[in-house]
Amino acid sequence: GAVVSQHPSWVICKSGTSVKIECRSLDFQATTMFWYRQFPKQSLMLMATSNEGSKATYEQGVEKDKFLINHASLTLSTLTVTSAHPEDSSFYICSAGQGANTGELFFGEGSRLTVL
Amino acid sequence: AQSVTQPDIHITVSEGASLELRCNYSYGATPYLFWYVQSPGQGLQLLLKYFSGDTLVQGIKGFEAEFKRSQSSFNLRKPSVHWSDAAEYFCAVTGGGNKLTFGTGTQLKVEL
Repeated sequence: GAVVSQHPSWVICKSGTSVKIECRSLDFQATTMFWYRQFPKQSLMLMATSNEGSKATYEQGVEKDKFLINHASLTLSTLTVTSAHPEDSSFYICSAGQGANTGELFFGEGSRLTVL
Repeated sequence: AQSVTQPDIHITVSEGASLELRCNYSYGATPYLFWYVQSPGQGLQLLLKYFSGDTLVQGIKGFEAEFKRSQSSFNLRKPSVHWSDAAEYFCAVTGGGNKLTFGTGTQLKVEL
């Protein structure tokens, strides 16, 4: 089956620094990837849609200058949390669809960000 | 706008007992419906999906779900729960396309 991998799986950083999270589709090409944020014991909130070769589409209320998304190739999307603050601490998950636009998505393992 | 409601935040069942997790959706047309499972600290894995056709769909790990249009429901069932089924379960909906709307999840605990 299709595999999506995230790196790092967890990261701790100081307040004010920037952190980059990678999302890779290992055995398929993904023109679109999705980034979610999940708070403890809550659902996934879609942050943005990452589009290969073009700008990401952000959901309402998500700061695009805070959460920079780059989708430079068909197998890699990156999420950079800029000038991170403790309130940015969360579990970030990416997903990608394999071909058909049917809603059947493959998810990465998630990345736990803790900002001190 | 589409939405998903999972009324049960926590459910505890004994190993070997049957399971039903509830999911109600709101969508104006025929929805695409999904159940995903998330183990602690992990991403999500697709259990099963409904696009069209037979309203009773079979998934992995012995799970099934039934689409009931009249009740706007897509409940997940398993006849006999195993301890390894303990996880968080999410119902999701889309009207087509990959932009999913997730429910708030149901945490399943299995007692041995």
